[in-house]
Amino acid sequence: GQQLNQSPQSMFIQEGEDVSMNCTSSSIFNTWLWYKQDPGEGPVLLIALYKAGELTSNGRLTAQFGITRKDSFLNISASIPSDVGIYFCAGQNLGGAAGNKLTFGGGTRVLVKP
Amino acid sequence: SAVISQKPSRDICQRGTSLTIQCQVDSQVTMMFWYRQQPGQSLTLIATANQGSEATYESGFVIDKFPISRPNLTFSTLTVSNMSPEDSSIYLCSVATSLEQYFGPGTRLTVT
Repeated sequence: GQQLNQSPQSMFIQEGEDVSMNCTSSSIFNTWLWYKQDPGEGPVLLIALYKAGELTSNGRLTAQFGITRKDSFLNISASIPSDVGIYFCAGQNLGGAAGNKLTFGGGTRVLVKP
Repeated sequence: SAVISQKPSRDICQRGTSLTIQCQVDSQVTMMFWYRQQPGQSLTLIATANQGSEATYESGFVIDKFPISRPNLTFSTLTVSNMSPEDSSIYLCSVATSLEQYFGPGTRLTVT
């Protein structure tokens, strides 16, 4: 099935650094969601975006819904050790034939720089 | 948001057996879904659990292998039937509000 292209696949962070990840799609979505998954847990919703061009923050997290509706990015500012985990983007077309079905990116694994 | 619980949290099963996973939500929700997350992979939608009718399965998933029940608006079960080692995955239920979707903690299944 369709999948979103999420990059990078993995990254190392050092405490205090800003990090960025993005998702691109070949088709448009009217909603973008960003999740974080810790080991042994289910994904937790971080930010939801509903409008092209929208920029939304949640604490140190900032996400944007691309103007073309085919991409989104997530920034984490001043990273801390608990930011380690796997981040997933997901696209959704509310009100469309697909209903609330989510299409997920492959994930970005955030690790601590040794 | 919704509080979602799943049972069991993990299990180790022998090939050829079946396991039923339960999902309970703390409020009534219209839409519930079941996802599979294979080791080191992203999430793949198995099916939409419809209350009072048969589940709607995604391409590559069939009812005989993954029967789903949804007897009311707060509860659903997913059965993984006739298991093989390839079924070793995390199985997650999720619920959708009008705009957002929330996930349970997952059931980690290992088939030996």
